[in-house]
Amino acid sequence: DAGVIQSPRHEVTEMGQEVTLRCKPISGHDYLFWYRQTMMRGLELLIYFNNNVPIDDSGMPEDRFSAKMPNASFSTLKIQPSEPRDSAVYFCASSLMGGSNTGELFFGEGSRLTVL
Amino acid sequence: QKEVEQDPGPLSVPEGAIVSLNCTYSNSAFQYFMWYRQYSRKGPELLMYTYSSGNKEDGRFTAQVDKSSKYISLFIRDSQPSDSATYLCAMVTGGFKTIFGAGTRLFVKA
Repeated sequence: DAGVIQSPRHEVTEMGQEVTLRCKPISGHDYLFWYRQTMMRGLELLIYFNNNVPIDDSGMPEDRFSAKMPNASFSTLKIQPSEPRDSAVYFCASSLMGGSNTGELFFGEGSRLTVL
Repeated sequence: QKEVEQDPGPLSVPEGAIVSLNCTYSNSAFQYFMWYRQYSRKGPELLMYTYSSGNKEDGRFTAQVDKSSKYISLFIRDSQPSDSATYLCAMVTGGFKTIFGAGTRLFVKA
C-alpha cells in the first residue's frame, strides 16, 4: 500500500482565496483524522470521521473550515476564505480501530499552507 | 487548560545519555496512550503504545503510564544522534478520538 496520500504538498495563496486540501486514506481503514500543526499550538485535531461519517468536529476553528468524506477513499478539508493565521501544516491520518488493532494513526506527508 | 500538557523543549543531550520525556493529562476518558516520533518535514510515526498503567519496554525505549496521577513518560536509553526528532505523546479515548501533546524537540549531540 502507498500509505496516506495528501495533496497538494505545498500551497501558497493570498488572503481571501479558497483552499482545498485532499487526502486518500489507506485502503480498508475505517477512521480518518485531520490535524493542523504549528509551532505555537502543536498538533491540533480538527475533525475525525468513522466510516465516512463525521464523529467530532469540535476542533474546527470556525465556519470558514469545512471537511467532507464522500467515500471511503477520499476526504477534503476546505478553507474559505483563507486568512494568514491559517498558515500551517495540515496532516491527514487514517487508522483501523477496534478488535486487536493498536489504534495506530498512519499519517500522510502533510500539506504545507502559506496564506499571504 | 489543555487536555494534554507536554513541555515543548528543546531538550539537548549528549550521545549516550538517558532521556526522559513526559506528559500529563486531565481527561479521565483517555484509555490508550501512545508515543509518536516526528522527523523534520515528515508526518508522525508510532513509536510505542500501551493500554494500561505500568511499564512497557522495546529495545532502548521504555513507556511508563501512571493513570492515578494522569502522567505518562518515555525513556530513551543510550541515546543516539539518530534519535534527534520531535516526540509527541498521544491520548486516545474509547471512541478513538486521538489528542496529541505539543511535542518535545530532542537534540542528541555526537
